[in-house]
Amino acid sequence: DTGVSQNPRHKITKRGQNVTFRCDPISEHNRLYWYRQTLGQGPEFLTYFQNEAQLEKSRLLSDRFSAERPKGSFSTLEIQRTEQGDSAMYLCASSLRGNQPQHFGDGTRLSIL
Amino acid sequence: GENVEQHPSTLSVQEGDSAVIKCTYSDSASNYFPWYKQELGKRPQLIIDIRSNVGEKKDQRIAVTLNKTAKHFSLHITETQPEDSAVYFCAASTPDSGAGSYQLTFGKGTKLSVIP
Repeated sequence: DTGVSQNPRHKITKRGQNVTFRCDPISEHNRLYWYRQTLGQGPEFLTYFQNEAQLEKSRLLSDRFSAERPKGSFSTLEIQRTEQGDSAMYLCASSLRGNQPQHFGDGTRLSIL
Repeated sequence: GENVEQHPSTLSVQEGDSAVIKCTYSDSASNYFPWYKQELGKRPQLIIDIRSNVGEKKDQRIAVTLNKTAKHFSLHITETQPEDSAVYFCAASTPDSGAGSYQLTFGKGTKLSVIP
């Protein structure tokens, strides 16, 4: 399967802990996106990379969130000092070029105890 | 920023009937409109998309129409089958900001139930 891969699929942690998620995009895609989806809502944009450069961040991305994409391949999203409100599905998507179809991974479901 | 409204939030149809989901967008600069199907616990799956230079696009039982003047677009599913049951999301992509992210703004989704 050469689709977008995310891990872990589920993460349960205590409030205040740090968590890190990984996304492996489709190999030739240079654009990578992170979205957050809460129950009953559509995905909301968090941040975007073109190759290794993080070019845009949503105001939803507080300073507790940081994302990287070293060497323009996989990406990681880290949340520090997790809060109850961080509980959500974190989705990664990639596309070949701008304004081209975005293909999503299965997401990482984060639950904060 | 862009705002996408989607209706209805739930839709039940008998197997074989047609289903229509409607979305409106606010930013006239939006020029790409994908539709995603999401089954429970699974990834959003792109099912069809349309660009602003096209008024209608069809792929087998699925069609999408776009009215740029009114800023609304619709998904049409004909001859519905039980496996069409899922949550459907519309989205709009706007080439705004200097970063050129083409981020997607999603509607809140429509839960479609096809009754056998």
